[in-house]
Amino acid sequence: DIQMTQSPSSVSASVGDRVTITCRASQGISSWLAWYQQKPGKAPKLLIYAASGLQSGVPSRFSGSGSGTDFTLTISSLQPEDFVTYYCQQANSFPLTFGGGTKVEIK
Amino acid sequence: QVQLVESGGDVVQPGRSLRLSCAASGFTFSSYGMHWVRQAPGKGLEWVAVIWYDGSKKYYAESVKGRFTISRDNSKNTMYMQMNSLRAEDTAVYYCARASGYYLFDFWGQGSLVTVSS
Repeated sequence: DIQMTQSPSSVSASVGDRVTITCRASQGISSWLAWYQQKPGKAPKLLIYAASGLQSGVPSRFSGSGSGTDFTLTISSLQPEDFVTYYCQQANSFPLTFGGGTKVEIK
Repeated sequence: QVQLVESGGDVVQPGRSLRLSCAASGFTFSSYGMHWVRQAPGKGLEWVAVIWYDGSKKYYAESVKGRFTISRDNSKNTMYMQMNSLRAEDTAVYYCARASGYYLFDFWGQGSLVTVSS
């Protein structure tokens, strides 16, 4: 199975800050990586697919990059609604696996 | 608009069975693969199973293989998860999700809580 390691597990930031979350795969997955946002008590929402593709309707302040084993999710200017949890997911092979999550908290 | 509505979650004793349903609307259900993903209380996301658009292929997480069975009825726009021999560690919110290319989840339901406890 492909293990996904996300860091940091939590980050404190302020509105307007730029935040970067990283995700590392235990083996190469080309660009087969997705990012999801989850608000408390709600289902996850797809933000980024194929490492850098922006899902329809997702604000342009979200961006993704990387390939192989190392990936990043960047939020260019944090908005109040962005202080939630983010997960990466490898979309290369079954079993599909997620990172442990990164909680973005208000400083 | 795409809607996925899970039902069937309940409190059950260890070793018992439960069946979850996921009713789909707003898209051509028979053209899409579908997944179950679960989330234990306060924990991260765990993929559980996927079924191909026509039911021809199914894959499971090792943690549920042999105990859970995914199925679908395209005439009813509904997917199911039969869960047998339930364990305490199966306690979670179970989400159904539409597959995008089989390896992504582009729409999710609101979730159904399964609690396994004596």
